[in-house]
Amino acid sequence: DQQVKQNSPSLSVQEGRISILNCDYTNSMFDYFLWYKKYPAEGPTFLISISSIKDKNEDGRFTVFLNKSAKHLSLHIVPSQPGDSAVYFCAASEGRNQFYFGTGTSLTVIP
Amino acid sequence: NAGVTQTPKFRILKIGQSMTLQCTQDMNHNYMYWYRQDPGMGLKLIYYSVGAGITDKGEVPNGYNVSRSTTEDFPLRLELAAPSQTSVYFCASSYPSGQNEQFFGPGTRLTVL
Repeated sequence: DQQVKQNSPSLSVQEGRISILNCDYTNSMFDYFLWYKKYPAEGPTFLISISSIKDKNEDGRFTVFLNKSAKHLSLHIVPSQPGDSAVYFCAASEGRNQFYFGTGTSLTVIP
Repeated sequence: NAGVTQTPKFRILKIGQSMTLQCTQDMNHNYMYWYRQDPGMGLKLIYYSVGAGITDKGEVPNGYNVSRSTTEDFPLRLELAAPSQTSVYFCASSYPSGQNEQFFGPGTRLTVL
């Protein structure tokens, strides 16, 4: 049973606009949430994370929001750039042992 | 630093054959993980290790074995390959602090025919 879900398989955004990627989870015991970016034929690379005690974390153009009551997190990319085109995975963990990944959202930033 | 390296990059196996996927990290990370990614799916955890000599099952361990004799190496063994094990395999490592992030290798694409 999928504990982390990304319901949008793809998203297209104009360059310079905001990209919003969404993720839902079911396990209220998750205490860390992460976003990874993946290019074809490469391994995922870490983007940004947030612990369950926070509701927002920002790193440059990337901001992650966590809504624990809704079991929902989102990644905002502002402004979007063509180099941001990739597949984005959200992941969640309880501690550092077991990580659960969503199925990914393919982001295309149109120049 | 090379980071996390995986060999081979590609492999085709016949049903019933066995093989070992190699994973090495040079960052002195305690934690190491093996994932598989099937087409259109997310990564699923096969096995993980919190240090040399300690391994534990993840979400999808059946058909696989691991060992961790050193901090650097975490090989994944397939004993009797089946078509259901056709997938891309990723190894990752992390250290027990920071943002809980994992560092991934480039992956091994395995096809079982």
